[in-house]
Amino acid sequence: AQSVTQLGSHVSVSEGALVLLRCNYSSSVPPYLFWYVQYPNQGLQLLLKYTSAATLVKGINGFEAEFKKSETSFHLTKPSAHMSDAAEYFCAVSARMNTGFQKLVFGTGTRLLVSP
Amino acid sequence: KAGVTQTPRYLIKTRGQQVTLSCSPISGHRSVSWYQQTPGQGLQFLFEYFSETQRNKGNFPGRFSGRQFSNSRSEMNVSTLELGDSALYLCASRRGQGTLEGETQYFGPGTRLLVL
Repeated sequence: AQSVTQLGSHVSVSEGALVLLRCNYSSSVPPYLFWYVQYPNQGLQLLLKYTSAATLVKGINGFEAEFKKSETSFHLTKPSAHMSDAAEYFCAVSARMNTGFQKLVFGTGTRLLVSP
Repeated sequence: KAGVTQTPRYLIKTRGQQVTLSCSPISGHRSVSWYQQTPGQGLQFLFEYFSETQRNKGNFPGRFSGRQFSNSRSEMNVSTLELGDSALYLCASRRGQGTLEGETQYFGPGTRLLVL
């Protein structure tokens, strides 16, 4: 069964510092991986997704993630944090169910705190 | 283009009652998925509807049900509410004719349900 593990429920950075949010996956088939962001009192917004076309995926708001099969990782990075990046971030993998259709399986989330 | 809308945004119920939540997808989207988000269990898939048919169901008891109308709007119902049903219920829509990795899934802001 496909799953993702997010290391660190909270990550704190200073404004302008590198953001690194970790996600490791477990999958018996080539995975399709996603990063979503959730701002307070809002739904989830897709940041980027890995669909096997390229290992380095660029997303919105300056975020990018690199798929590393050897490390079963899909970590999210941003070179320079902004105050507006403070939010909760979710890594997810698509899983095919017995019906043949897919669902998203989410990690437990990482709350990013950005200090001035 | 209007996004995914969910009504109501907030709801307070007491144990034993039932509740109906509504989701209006983006125009042209025929797939609606529902997720439950709690601090303890995180984001969990409830079910997916496509063209008025449930094509995927998560591991939730039968008290959780849903339906989709011909205009793609969807409702979910929870009967005999329990304290543990307190959560943020998110719905997401996409065109639904392709894969999760091929289509972007757009999330609504959620309905926050509190069961007393």
